[in-house]
This record gives sequence, structure tokens and C-alpha cells, in this order.
Amino acid sequence: ILNVEQSPQSLHVQEGDSTNFTCSFPSSNFYALHWYRWETAKSPEALFVMTLNGDEKKKGRISATLNTKEGYSYLYIKGSQPEDSATYLCAPTYGGSQGNLIFGKGTKLSVKP
Amino acid sequence: EAGVAQSPRYKIIEKRQSVAFWCNPISGHATLYWYQQILGQGPKLLIQFQNNGVVDDSQLPKDRFSAERLKGVDSTLKIQPAKLEDSAVYLCASSLIQGNSPLHFGNGTRLTVT
Repeated sequence: ILNVEQSPQSLHVQEGDSTNFTCSFPSSNFYALHWYRWETAKSPEALFVMTLNGDEKKKGRISATLNTKEGYSYLYIKGSQPEDSATYLCAPTYGGSQGNLIFGKGTKLSVKP
Repeated sequence: EAGVAQSPRYKIIEKRQSVAFWCNPISGHATLYWYQQILGQGPKLLIQFQNNGVVDDSQLPKDRFSAERLKGVDSTLKIQPAKLEDSAVYLCASSLIQGNSPLHFGNGTRLTVT
């Protein structure tokens, strides 16, 4: 059973703070790493799909980096806003089962105005 | 584009009853997934379809769960009979191709088994 760890489990920040989360995963036979944002009462929304070691992607104030050799990814949010409050999920996939996303438990972010 | 449609949004049943969920993916998406998310855990893949064929159902409890995608478009997931531990959010997702394509999720069905 593949173990995907996300830390911290939850995070409370003030509006304007910058924050980051970690996703750790087994590196053997790695194929791709997905990040999703899941707001309460809504559907999970894709943020990034990353495949290359050293890759860095950005979407507005959110960015992510990937280290496939050591098996981790960081998600950064610059200048957090209340609308960033959500659970952030990461999910690696592996060769031979590329459609099977192995989700972590997520990091729940709360941004206070 | 229209998103992934799921119904119902909520369902409450008693243990040993049966229940069915429906999903209509985004038009043109060949790959369809059903995930189960138990409170406090990450979503877990139950079954993945490529068109109307099953790609991965290794984590589907086949003694009580079944799923079909007969015409390669919409899909149904059934539980019969339900157990208390089946209480979860059931998410349907679709993607253009498997692997690098992001998944597009529906709003999910929250199932409570009493």
C-alpha cells in the first residue's frame, strides 16, 4: 500500500500571510503528481499536474514545486485570502496504473479576514 | 463546458438496503472514475473506466459494490447491501485521457448508512 503524507493536517493563517504545504510520496516508479483544491460544498478543482523533476508551476498566487527523486512536492500560497480556505489534496500516480491517483488526507487551510 | 453531473447529492439509507448513484461525465471524456471518500481520509479509487471497459477495479468490494458504463458515457455505481462503513462521499470524475490529464470532479453524493 502506497503511503502519501501531507503536512500539516490543518493550518490557520491571517489574511495576507503566505503559507506552504508539503506532500511526500514514494518516488519509485513515479509518473505524475496532481494537486487539487476542495472547498466545502463544492467539487474538487484541479490546480496542477506535474511530471518532471524540478518542475515548478504557477497559477495566480499559488505555485508548486516537484522533486521526483526524493518524493516530495511543495504548494505555496502567497498573500492568502479568505477565498483560499479549502482542503488541498495531493495525489501521485505511478507507472502501470497511471489513472489511479493515490490521494493524501489533505491539508485544511483556514484564512481569517 | 458543462461539468460532471452527479445525483443524488445526499442519500440516507438503513444498513442492508441498496442504493445507486448516477454520473454523467464531461462530453468527450473517455476516462471515468468513481472515488470513495470516508471522513478524515483522502479519496480512494473504487473503479476506473476507459470508454465502457474497466481499467482498474482492484479496490472495489465486489461482493457488494457494482458499477457499469454500458454505452461509454454515463455510469452508475450500486451498493447492495449497504453496511455502516459505506457511509462516505462518493465522487465521480472524468478526464480526457488517463495519466497527465487533470480530473474533473462532480459535486459528489454524501451517503449516510444508519
